[in-house]
Amino acid sequence: GAGVSQSPSNKVTEKGKDVELRCDPISGHTALYWYRQRLGQGLEFLIYFQGNSAPDKSGLPSDRFSAERTGESVSTLTIQRTQQEDSAVYLCASSLRGLNTEAFFGQGTRLTVV
Amino acid sequence: GDSVTQMEGPVTLSEEAFLTINCTYTATGYPSLFWYVQYPGEGLQLLLKATKADDKGSNKGFEATYRKETTSFHLEKGSVQVSDSAVYFCALSDHGSSNTGKLIFGQGTTLQVKP
Repeated sequence: GAGVSQSPSNKVTEKGKDVELRCDPISGHTALYWYRQRLGQGLEFLIYFQGNSAPDKSGLPSDRFSAERTGESVSTLTIQRTQQEDSAVYLCASSLRGLNTEAFFGQGTRLTVV
Repeated sequence: GDSVTQMEGPVTLSEEAFLTINCTYTATGYPSLFWYVQYPGEGLQLLLKATKADDKGSNKGFEATYRKETTSFHLEKGSVQVSDSAVYFCALSDHGSSNTGKLIFGQGTTLQVKP
C-alpha cells in the first residue's frame, strides 16, 4: 500500500478481554515501531522490530502486552486482560532501516476499555 | 533517560503572526532531532529534522536549529496560516548504544490559527 495501515481504526472492548491490533507497514520497510498515546500526553515507545526480531521491547508496560511480526511485514500488538488504563491511541510506524531514516506513521487504533 | 520537553499548549495565534514553539531535550548521546505534525484527522508526518549541532531543518516555511549549547530545537515560522492548525511534536532519536531509531517524543503542542 501507499502508507502504513492500521486496523481497526477504533476498538471498544470490555475490561478483561484480549485485543489484537494490526499494522501493515510500507512494503520494504524493515524497521517497525509501536507507540502508545494516552489522552493529552506524548507518544510512548513500546517496541521496535528489525525484520522479524524485536531487539528492543523496553517500552512494553507489562507482560500483558506482546507483539509479533511475520514475513518482515505485518505486525500484531496483543493486549491480554485489558484494563481501563490501556485506553489510548496505538500508533505504528515503519522506516527503511531504522536509525536516521524517516519514520512513517499510520493513523492509529483508538482503543477504549470500558 | 532521554527526554523531550515542549512548551504547553494550546497556542492560539492570528493569521500571519510569528510562531515559536519551544523544545528542549536531555540525551546522553548525540541525538537527531525532529518535529512531527499531526493535522486534524490525519496521521503523524515528519515536518523537519536536524542530525547534528548547528544544523537547521526547514520545510513549509517552518525552521528549527539544533542548539547543542542550550539543548534546544525550537520551531519557528514567520507567518502562520489557518492551515497550520495542528498538533506539533518534538522528538529525538539517540545514536547511542541502542541504535534502533526509536523516537522519544514531547507531549505535543496544539496550535490554533484564527483568520
